[in-house]
Amino acid sequence: EDKVVQSPLSLVVHEGDTVTLNCSYEVTNFRSLLWYKQEKKAPTFLFMLTSSGIEKKSGRLSSILDKKELFSILNITATQTGDSAIYLCAVFNQGGSEKLVFGKGTKLTVNP
Amino acid sequence: NAGVTQTPKFQVLKTGQSMTLQCAQDMNHNSMYWYRQDPGMGLRLIYYSASEGTTDKGEVPNGYNVSRLNKREFSLRLESAAPSQTSVYFCASSEMVGVAGELFFGEGSRLTVL
Repeated sequence: EDKVVQSPLSLVVHEGDTVTLNCSYEVTNFRSLLWYKQEKKAPTFLFMLTSSGIEKKSGRLSSILDKKELFSILNITATQTGDSAIYLCAVFNQGGSEKLVFGKGTKLTVNP
Repeated sequence: NAGVTQTPKFQVLKTGQSMTLQCAQDMNHNSMYWYRQDPGMGLRLIYYSASEGTTDKGEVPNGYNVSRLNKREFSLRLESAAPSQTSVYFCASSEMVGVAGELFFGEGSRLTVL
């Protein structure tokens, strides 16, 4: 069965800290890994990763994929209160029912 | 540009009642999805539609039916609601199933079954 495991499940930090969120996966036919940020409502897209070792970066957020060890990390530097959200990792499985398999998410709280 | 629109945003039902969640997208996407999100469970796929005229079961289809009315619209029906269906429901769309790209989500519909 396809599986996506995120850790930690929750994290509380102070503004200015750097955080690393983890996502490991087991899927039969990996195609891509996606990161989403969910504040109060709909998840919003952050990154899509398909190749190992190539960092994707957007401002203070960056992510990288390791297809050999089957994991990805999402880094946030100089955190701000606006980074408080649930961060979802999802893996696209090429075969089977053609769907994104989501992890349970990491709830990040950034305190002033 | 509205993106993905879901209605209603909130609904309270009694056990055994039926209802339909509506979803429409204006991005000319081929594929549409219904997910449910429960605390500590992440997003789980209920049904999806790879293209107009086709629907397929996801991880948790029991108790639900769907209709892909046209390319824009994909509805989710609960025929006889149960308390276990209390959840937040998200509709999403993408250009095409199998392309492995980004999903665009609606803002969610919070359903409570008493």
